[in-house]
Amino acid sequence: KAGVTQTPRYLIKTRGQQVTLSCSPISGHRSVSWYQQTPGQGLQFLFEYFSETQRNKGNFPGRFSGRQFSNSRSEMNVSTLELGDSALYLCASSGPGSGDYGYTFGSGTRLTVV
Amino acid sequence: KNEVEQSPQNLTAQEGEFITINCSYSVGISALHWLQQHPGGGIVSLFMLSSGKKKHGRLIATINIQEKHSSLHITASHPRDSAVYICAVASGSARQLTFGSGTQLTVLP
Repeated sequence: KAGVTQTPRYLIKTRGQQVTLSCSPISGHRSVSWYQQTPGQGLQFLFEYFSETQRNKGNFPGRFSGRQFSNSRSEMNVSTLELGDSALYLCASSGPGSGDYGYTFGSGTRLTVV
Repeated sequence: KNEVEQSPQNLTAQEGEFITINCSYSVGISALHWLQQHPGGGIVSLFMLSSGKKKHGRLIATINIQEKHSSLHITASHPRDSAVYICAVASGSARQLTFGSGTQLTVLP
């Protein structure tokens, strides 16, 4: 069974640009959540989508947005990048078969803003 | 005060030792998660629990809802257990996690 796939793995962008990250969940999982990890703030929840609807949103500015498609694949977008947006962005999916574990995480996209 | 507190922040053990990592939280929760993160960033979910105790191989997780406290135990530790262990809680019906700052575990051969 394929895991959660995040693309790209690494990304370098310039301040002011925008970026789109992709997450393909485990087949059959309809919930996808996104997290930001930085050395200073640790892991923080960004948002969660279920069946193409955003169910929860963390405390991030409006520059951070996301969407989910009918096949449950999700994208997150960050506009007008700032140096502080440099982070590891992780997504996780959950659904049937998650059982005792709750979530399956992707390997992450490491974004560097220069 | 952070909603989720982990201790210790760093832990070094000799191979074979019994290890305990603690997590305390200050809010009502619907579930508590233990996660493992290796260098390079990948996160593996170890446990999700809302009461009692769970065991997977050499790993044991317990939770005391009344005391708002959970522990992760590793028996017969091995160098491959070296990683950051993160506690996270989900509150109410919200499916968003609040994370502890993690415990860096190093197991020496």
